[in-house]
Amino acid sequence: GEDVEQSLFLSVREGDSSVINCTYTDSSSTYLYWYKQEPGAGLQLLTYIFSNMDMKQDQRLTVLLNKKDKHLSLRIADTQTGDSAIYFCAVVAFFSGGYNKLIFGAGTRLAVHP
Amino acid sequence: NAGVTQTPKFQVLKTGQSMTLQCAQDMNHNSMYWYRQDPGMGLRLIYYSASEGTTDKGEVPNGYNVSRLNKREFSLRLESAAPSQTSVYFCASRPGTGDYGYTFGSGTRLTVV
Repeated sequence: GEDVEQSLFLSVREGDSSVINCTYTDSSSTYLYWYKQEPGAGLQLLTYIFSNMDMKQDQRLTVLLNKKDKHLSLRIADTQTGDSAIYFCAVVAFFSGGYNKLIFGAGTRLAVHP
Repeated sequence: NAGVTQTPKFQVLKTGQSMTLQCAQDMNHNSMYWYRQDPGMGLRLIYYSASEGTTDKGEVPNGYNVSRLNKREFSLRLESAAPSQTSVYFCASRPGTGDYGYTFGSGTRLTVV
């Protein structure tokens, strides 16, 4: 089955860039997602990239996709303390009948320090 | 505000007790999902409902049942709670067509003692 892997922790200094990495096993996913979870809250869709794209930029966020290596990354420029959260990578797994579901990585906890 | 609403937000159960977690969405989404979140394990799918009237097992369905009451509501029932079911439970929905991100509820934190 589909497997999604992420490193569990990342610590950065305020103002620096953060890069969160993700690898996945199934290359059939048409969309790949990044979700953000703040303490005590649900998951919020942060951004996504379509599988025929290599890069997507959205303000301080840059998503890079390397389909050959099945590698997805999220770069946050000028990281702020408000960016401290858990970031989840998610890909779509397909099933017979046309149904699909999201498969999540374990999440990367980003800690931003002064 | 439009979105996914889960109740309750917190619950403590004794081993063997039963309870139902409620979820409702007002976005006219077809598909709804129940996930559990455990430290270091990400989110694991318990059950899903691709459309009204259908439900299917996910990765970790044992000990749970679901009901898709109507298009808006999808409930998760624990018939006989066990300490291993201590977790944070999230309900999610999506339109059902195309590959669009899910909308999540704020979660139910369940402790079984």
